[in-house]
Order: sequence, then structure tokens, then C-alpha cells
Amino acid sequence: GIQVEQSPPDLILQEGANSTLRCNFSDSVNNLQWFHQNPWGQLINLFYIPSGTKQNGRLSATTVATERYSLLYISSSQTTDSGVYFCAGYQGGSEKLVFGKGTKLTVNP
Amino acid sequence: DTGVSQDPRHKITKRGQNVTFRCDPISEHNRLYWYRQTLGQGPEFLTYFQNEAQLEKSRLLSDRFSAERPKGSFSTLEIQRTEQGDSAMYLCASSLQGWVTGETQYFGPGTRLLVL
Repeated sequence: GIQVEQSPPDLILQEGANSTLRCNFSDSVNNLQWFHQNPWGQLINLFYIPSGTKQNGRLSATTVATERYSLLYISSSQTTDSGVYFCAGYQGGSEKLVFGKGTKLTVNP
Repeated sequence: DTGVSQDPRHKITKRGQNVTFRCDPISEHNRLYWYRQTLGQGPEFLTYFQNEAQLEKSRLLSDRFSAERPKGSFSTLEIQRTEQGDSAMYLCASSLQGWVTGETQYFGPGTRLLVL
């Protein structure tokens, strides 16, 4: 079955708007991470967040491990936030990251 | 810390040719990973190394694919007899793995392969 599921698949915002991206993961996945893939393909680490809440500037993330979900909040979005946001977790018993299909974010000026 | 680097950034080849990609991890990182990403999908794990030992391989890694990390530093990924289905972005990542499992992985810029 699906191990890491992200929603929504696509999101279009006006500059300045806030957004919430969701990641649901199965009980075989842990040590959740969030990445931003820019239009040139570079994956950039945003958060390593197995549980709890972290903040970095306009971005924050919360993982509720007992309920198997994580949320990424983007506030006051900017055009440079555009790209694809992935969540990924380690598959139990393995050292490989399992990725969701991503949320494609477009921020219009 | 110069980050993970990959070479080449782009490769166009004809079906049936062999190609080789190189990855240089962050210098103190002992783990190195290869992933493949096709359009509209998240990266998929191919293989990983702990120092020079290849410890896990995905079923995606057919016998036409081989990866090495001979001195525990840089790694190469070779695809023999390329097929059009091999067209993808090939991503390399590295991490510093201590006693705690599941550390943060840092990704390189990727190599885009197009097989004609």
C-alpha cells in the first residue's frame, strides 16, 4: 500500500498568502523529513522532524507521529517558494528514504 | 562544506550506449545514496553505501546498473546498454551516520539523463 501520501497534489497561491501542506505516512515509515525541490531540480532540506514542531523563518512543520501525519506551513508566501515540496521518511528496517509524490506549489506575483 | 556535487549535470545518449555518473559527497559523510526521479514522481531509492561497502540495493537496480564507491569517498553509477526507460534524473545524497539511525540526507543537484 501507499506508505507516504501528500496532499494537495497542486496548489496555486497569490504572493502573501499562507498555506498548509499535509503528509500522511504508514506505520512502517519514521524520521520524517521535508524537502523543497526548486525548478532546477535541486532538493533542499527544510526540516528533519520525527516529531514535534520546528520553525525556520516563514516555514514551520509539525509531525504527530502517533497519528502518522506531518504538516508544513508556509506563511506570507513568495514567488521563490514555488517548486515541489516532498516529505520522506525512512522505511522501517531499511536505510532508504521513501518519498511521497510531492505537492507542486506555484506562487504568483 | 561545499555540498554534494554530481557530474555531469546533463547527459544525452543513444539507446544501447553506456553512461557513467559521478557523485562527490560532503567530505566527512560516511553514507552515500543513489536515487532516481522520473517526471511527476518523488525520488526512488536505488542503492546506498556505508564507506566503501554497498549495503542495500533496490529491485529497481537491474543488472544493467552498477554502482561503486571504491575508496569510500566519491561514487560512480554506470548504466550499460541504456534504454529509453532509463531517462530520468539521477540524484545522489550523503549523510553522516552515527549510532542513531535515520539521519538527514543531503542531496546533490542531480544528473538529467535523456536516452534517445
